[in-house]
Amino acid sequence: SQQGEEDPQALSIQEGENATMNCSYKTSINNLQWYRQNSGRGLVHLILIRSNEREKHSGRLRVTLDTSKKSSSLLITASRAADTASYFCATVPSKGATNKLIFGTGTLLAVQP
Amino acid sequence: DAGITQSPRHKVTETGTPVTLRCHQTENHRYMYWYRQDPGHGLRLIHYSYGVKDTDKGEVSDGYSVSRSKTEDFLLTLESATSSQTSVYFCAIRTGTNEKLFFGSGTQLSVL
Repeated sequence: SQQGEEDPQALSIQEGENATMNCSYKTSINNLQWYRQNSGRGLVHLILIRSNEREKHSGRLRVTLDTSKKSSSLLITASRAADTASYFCATVPSKGATNKLIFGTGTLLAVQP
Repeated sequence: DAGITQSPRHKVTETGTPVTLRCHQTENHRYMYWYRQDPGHGLRLIHYSYGVKDTDKGEVSDGYSVSRSKTEDFLLTLESATSSQTSVYFCAIRTGTNEKLFFGSGTQLSVL
């Protein structure tokens, strides 16, 4: 089964608004990563947060991690039309198959100009 | 793009025929991965490799085999393609322990 599940499946907002996507996972992790995919393209890494970190920033991106709830959120501030894409969380397990990166089902973000 | 090339970019084949997809990297990274992407399922891991001749199964490995005879190439083979294997296939490399993946541009495979 999928390690990560994103919520919501789809999100539509206006330019300038903030977008928040959530990810839940099932087992203990070494780190959690967020990726972006533009239509018809490969995934691009956005940010990585380790299990001992609670929050991380990169430009307009803010990621939080709550290991007690096995959940993470990705916040994109002041969104732009160019942010329209699918966003995926992915986890690296801390035990067992630590070489595998398991992806969730993704959130499709549409930013209306 | 970390020097990853997938070939072919598009392939149409018939049920029952063998198909091989190729992933080539130019940077000698140890870990290489094959994923498939389908609507509603996100990316699912098929197989991965942690070195030459060292491979392991992912979540959806049935019907697929892989080979890695040299560091730079990771081949995915569908021995007898089925319509359920119609998908977009992505290769990825990992640049270090527990670190991020770099993805290729994908192969759109249609099995008729």
